[in-house]
Amino acid sequence: KNQVEQSPQSLIILEGKNCTLQCNYTVSPFSNLRWYKQDTGRGPVSLTIMTFSENTKSNGRYTATLDADTKQSSLHITASQLSDSASYICVVSAYANDMRFGAGTRLTVKP
Amino acid sequence: EAEVAQSPRYKITEKSQAVAFWCDPISGHATLYWYRQILGQGPELLVQFQDESVVDDSQLPKDRFSAERLKGVDSTLKIQPAELGDSAMYLCASSFLSGTGERGQYFGPGTRLTVT
Repeated sequence: KNQVEQSPQSLIILEGKNCTLQCNYTVSPFSNLRWYKQDTGRGPVSLTIMTFSENTKSNGRYTATLDADTKQSSLHITASQLSDSASYICVVSAYANDMRFGAGTRLTVKP
Repeated sequence: EAEVAQSPRYKITEKSQAVAFWCDPISGHATLYWYRQILGQGPELLVQFQDESVVDDSQLPKDRFSAERLKGVDSTLKIQPAELGDSAMYLCASSFLSGTGERGQYFGPGTRLTVT
């Protein structure tokens, strides 16, 4: 069983709308959690990284939240744009060299 | 901005042939990773180097895959012989350890391998 589960698997929204992607993990101990954006045919690009003590972190229209007690994270995208169409991958690290990848959520933004 | 370089970007090969991928990490990044990503899934770690030494290759199919980073800089991943199931995106990443202890990881554009 994957230690990092993401939902939904795919999502379609209209341009300008908001959306929230979920990441639940069982990785322990916990070091940090990252959200990556991966455009089709490209490598992942880091959006945010959060440690145990951080509850929220923003990067432009992207806001990530972390609840280390319930082992849940979310990525909220505000005022979506067509360029937000991509896969969003949640990665949880137990320690510095250990990264567990979720399967990703495929987001499609339609005009 | 410095980037991780990979080549080739696309490779089509017949099964049973040999194939090699190259990665040049960001200058100064001591840690280098090779991942395999099947369409619709997250990346799967194949091998991790710290400088020229292998740190983790537990998921590398060693009967057909090999990886090296001889001088602790660029790296090569080889598959011989290629099988149909090897068709995937092969991602290289490099990372550094910041003063706060956070590890920043940067991915290359990937090599898309198709085995026919």
